Amino acid sequence: RKEVEQDPGPFNVPEGATVAFNCTYSNSASQSFFWYRQDCRKEPKLLMSVYSSGNEDGRFTAQLNRASQYISLLIRDSKLSDSATYLCVVNRAGNQFYFGTGTSLTVIP
Amino acid sequence: DVKVTQSSRYLVKRTGEKVFLECVQDMDHENMFWYRQDPGLGLRLIYFSYDVKMKEKGDIPEGYSVSREKKERFSLILESASTNQTSMYLCASSSLGTSGRALSYEQYFGPGTRLTVT
Repeated sequence: RKEVEQDPGPFNVPEGATVAFNCTYSNSASQSFFWYRQDCRKEPKLLMSVYSSGNEDGRFTAQLNRASQYISLLIRDSKLSDSATYLCVVNRAGNQFYFGTGTSLTVIP
Repeated sequence: DVKVTQSSRYLVKRTGEKVFLECVQDMDHENMFWYRQDPGLGLRLIYFSYDVKMKEKGDIPEGYSVSREKKERFSLILESASTNQTSMYLCASSSLGTSGRALSYEQYFGPGTRLTVT
């Protein structure tokens, strides 16, 4: 079983829509959780960390469910500039990072 | 801002050549990583280093070696390049820190090197 699994999509949504991505992880010892964004032919960039109590950054909300071992990312009021691949990343023991294969989002005018 | 730089954005090499990919970070991070990224496979860890002269194998170390002589620099070496090593190579660094309310290791990536082996 993969350490981190994501639905690859693609998700094609109209501008202004709300879209949600989920990600599951297999190891309950996982400690830190992140969402990264990767634009085409660019490096991944940290979008936000995910905290146990859930956290929000503008239009983006991340949640963690440790009991069910999943992480979610909600994007409200989608913009064209949100089009990218979103990577779920799980960290264990400091220097062990596990990446999902990414979920592709295209926001359509 | 953390800055991670890689020596080349694009590289074309012939089969059998020795290839050096260099990565430098300027934030005094302890941990440095080399990944390759291929369509449908996501990022796969080749090697990582948690200190100068220290290295650990990742998931796919075969055909690669690494060197970390200085804290800020981590090199990936392809001893004898093969066509199946054509890929995007990404370097990253991280350090334990606090991010908001939690201890968090955040990774920062370089721009990547797209290597083609012919």
